[in-house]
Amino acid sequence: AQKVTQAQTEISVVEKEDVTLDCVYETRDTTYYLFWYKQPPSGELVFLIRRNSFDEQNEISGRYSWNFQKSTSSFNFTITASQVVDSAVYFCALSDLLKNAGNMLTFGGGTRLMVKP
Amino acid sequence: DTGVSQDPRHKITKRGQNVTFRCDPISEHNRLYWYRQTLGQGPEFLTYFQNEAQLEKSRLLSDRFSAERPKGSFSTLEIQRTEQGDSAMYLCASSLVRSEAFFGQGTRLTVV
Repeated sequence: AQKVTQAQTEISVVEKEDVTLDCVYETRDTTYYLFWYKQPPSGELVFLIRRNSFDEQNEISGRYSWNFQKSTSSFNFTITASQVVDSAVYFCALSDLLKNAGNMLTFGGGTRLMVKP
Repeated sequence: DTGVSQDPRHKITKRGQNVTFRCDPISEHNRLYWYRQTLGQGPEFLTYFQNEAQLEKSRLLSDRFSAERPKGSFSTLEIQRTEQGDSAMYLCASSLVRSEAFFGQGTRLTVV
């Protein structure tokens, strides 16, 4: 069985602070995908990143960066110089890479990020 | 707008009534997924289609739930004899094979 844990239910920061959202996962699969999605108040889940279990390189995209560590089963997400528009609920998710091409997602409970001006 | 479209956005129904939701995926996407999200929780997988074939169903999908994708394009999710526990956001997503899924804005169902 797969499980994703986002221990931080809510984080509040002041604009321009850096913030890291934690994600720990459990799976018996040897090949899997990890994802991050953002859910703004409008409700739509916005895709941010997908990484496969073969690729442990960290990734940076603008103010966003992701740290994948297989040894600790973690896939953490850092926002640098946070902005008010980053306020949303962020979900980490996991899927079996091979089964159904990896889109049957197991989501964590989400972390609500509030960025105050 | 070429994203995933869901209709209606909100639905209030009385317990025991049937409801149907529609999802229009991104046009070239052959895979379509339904998820359910209750308040304060992450989405949970319900079912998915490749073209018109329903290939996987979660145990969450009770006999009162049925999903169809008759021509491999739009999909409907019907809930019969609704119960208060069915109140949730129903999310639809679509993808190409081996690409990430893109989600719609969801249909929020309230059963009173």
